[in-house]
Amino acid sequence: AQSVAQPEDQVNVAEGNPLTVKCTYSVSGNPYLFWYVQYPNRGLQFLLKYITGDNLVKGSYGFEAEFNKSQTSFHLKKPSALVSDSALYFCATWRGDTGRRALTFGSGTRLQVQP
Amino acid sequence: DVKVTQSSRYLVKRTGEKVFLECVQDMDHENMFWYRQDPGLGLRLIYFSYDVKMKEKGDIPEGYSVSREKKERFSLILESASTNQTSMYLCASSPVDSQTGELFFGEGSRLTVL
Repeated sequence: AQSVAQPEDQVNVAEGNPLTVKCTYSVSGNPYLFWYVQYPNRGLQFLLKYITGDNLVKGSYGFEAEFNKSQTSFHLKKPSALVSDSALYFCATWRGDTGRRALTFGSGTRLQVQP
Repeated sequence: DVKVTQSSRYLVKRTGEKVFLECVQDMDHENMFWYRQDPGLGLRLIYFSYDVKMKEKGDIPEGYSVSREKKERFSLILESASTNQTSMYLCASSPVDSQTGELFFGEGSRLTVL
């Protein structure tokens, strides 16, 4: 079964420092990988995707993610964290057959950026 | 602007009550989804629908049913609410086989079952 895992419940980083939120995947075939963000009391918002192509994917709000096939990882990164980046981050991948697909999500990682 | 609207942000119900959670999207999307969000468990798929009157079970369908009579509306039904169904419920929609992987989410319905 297609799945993703987020090994860290929480990541703490100081404002201005680089941040990394980790995700590993277990996918048969070509991986389709995604990152979403949830701000307090809000629904989820799409950040970025990897389907094919460059291993470094750029997304919204200055975030990027690095796809690493040998390590089966898709870590979310940002060169300089902002306090406003504090939120819940979810990694996801497709599950199911063409025409009947849904996203399956990781358990989430809470990012706290301290001023 | 794309919009997914969930009818109630907060609900409090009693054990055994029948509960309806409504979701409407205005983007003419084929696919609609219901997820449940619990701390430490992430989002878990309850049911999804890829067409009107069509539905497919997700990972945790037990205790839930769904209805999709019109393309824009997808309802989640708890036939007899139980305390372990206290949770945040998120509805989402997407075009069929969206290549971007982008689901559009509502703001969620927080259900408390007493």
